[in-house]
Amino acid sequence: GAGVSQSPSNKVTEKGKDVELRCDPISGHTALYWYRQSLGQGLEFLIYFQGNSAPDKSGLPSDRFSAERTGGSVSTLTIQRTQQEDSAVYLCASSPSGGSFSGTEAFFGQGTRLTVV
Amino acid sequence: SQQGEEDPQALSIQEGENATMNCSYKTSINNLQWYRQNSGRGLVHLILIRSNEREKHSGRLRVTLDTSKKSSSLLITASRAADTASYFCAPRRGAQKLVFGQGTRLTINP
Repeated sequence: GAGVSQSPSNKVTEKGKDVELRCDPISGHTALYWYRQSLGQGLEFLIYFQGNSAPDKSGLPSDRFSAERTGGSVSTLTIQRTQQEDSAVYLCASSPSGGSFSGTEAFFGQGTRLTVV
Repeated sequence: SQQGEEDPQALSIQEGENATMNCSYKTSINNLQWYRQNSGRGLVHLILIRSNEREKHSGRLRVTLDTSKKSSSLLITASRAADTASYFCAPRRGAQKLVFGQGTRLTINP
C-alpha cells in the first residue's frame, strides 16, 4: 500500500476484554515496530520485528501483551484482559531495512486510539 | 539501542522566529533522525544526518551533529503556525531498534 495502515482507528473496550490491533506495513519493509503513547507523553517502545530474526519483545509491559507478524508482513498486537491503564494510542511503524549501515527512516501509521472503560 | 533526550521539553515562540531544539545521546551512532508529530498521531520523518556529516539542510530545517559531544540540534527558521508539533530525535546504530524520548513540544504563537 501507499503507507502504513492501522486498524481500527479507534477502539473502545470494556475492562477485562481482549483486543487485537492490526498493522499493515509498507510492502517490502522488513522492520516493524509497535509503540504506545499515553496522553502528553513520549513514545514507549513495545516490540520490534526485523526480518526473520527473533522479535525484540523487551518493551512489552506485561504478559498480557503479545504481538506476532505473519509472513513478514501484517502484524497484530493483542492485549488480553485489558485494564484502564492500557488506554493509549498504539502506533505502528515500518522501515525498509535494519542492516548494519542502513538505519533508514521509519514510516508511521496513524495509530489506534484504545480506550478501556 | 539508545534513545535521545530532547531539550527543552517545551518551547513557545512567536510566528516568524527561529526555533532550536537539542538532542543528546550516550553511545556512538551511525545516524540520527528527527521526526515530527502532530496531534498525537503518527510521526513523520523530517531529516536524517549521518555520523560523518556535521550539518544538513532541508527547506527551513537545519540539523547539526556533533559526535564528539554526542549531541544534535534542529533549527526551524521563520517558524509558522503549522510547525506547532512535538519533535523527536532518534539516534541509531546499525539495526538497533528505533526508540524515542519524550520529545520537545513546540508551540508557535500567532
